[in-house]
Amino acid sequence: ILNVEQSPQSLHVQEGDSTNFTCSFPSSNFYALHWYRWETAKSPEALFVMTLNGDEKKKGRISATLNTKEGYSYLYIKGSQPEDSATYLCACDNYGQNFVFGPGTRLSVLP
Amino acid sequence: EPEVTQTPSHQVTQMGQEVILRCVPISNHLYFYWYRQILGQKVEFLVSFYNNEISEKSEIFDDQFSVERPDGSNFTLKIRSTKLEDSAMYFCASRGDRGIMNTEAFFGQGTRLTVV
Repeated sequence: ILNVEQSPQSLHVQEGDSTNFTCSFPSSNFYALHWYRWETAKSPEALFVMTLNGDEKKKGRISATLNTKEGYSYLYIKGSQPEDSATYLCACDNYGQNFVFGPGTRLSVLP
Repeated sequence: EPEVTQTPSHQVTQMGQEVILRCVPISNHLYFYWYRQILGQKVEFLVSFYNNEISEKSEIFDDQFSVERPDGSNFTLKIRSTKLEDSAMYFCASRGDRGIMNTEAFFGQGTRLTVV
């Protein structure tokens, strides 16, 4: 059974701080990893689709890295802003058939 | 920007009743999914749908559940004889206008189902 974990479960940072969190997944039979940002009462918003070992992707102040050999991905937020407050979900893509989600990291950025 | 829309946003139903959750996926997408999140738990996969048939389903998706794409635009999830433990946020997603490799899935805002 594919199991995806994330840490920490929740995080409180001050505005302007940089932060990062982890997604871990089984390294065997890897296909793709997705990161989503999910604000309350909104649709989960796709951030990155990562497929290759060593991938590094960036969108504004948010970036992500991927290590498929050891089974982890990091999400970094540089200079956190209150609008970054959300739950960040990672999901293993099971060959397009479905996603297996982690439990999420809930980020609160305090002004 | 195209989006996945779900209706209703909230649904309260009595135990034993049937509910239909509706989704309008992005129009040129080919792959459709239902997920749910019970409060405090992980988002979990229910079913995937491609080429007018179920392509994969989880253990949760038993005979109580069914999906349909009746008219080429709507994608519905029917839950028969609802139970208290069916209370959850149900999400629809779609992806892939030409294939799914390296493509993101687009999610709706969810329908919060409460069974009383």
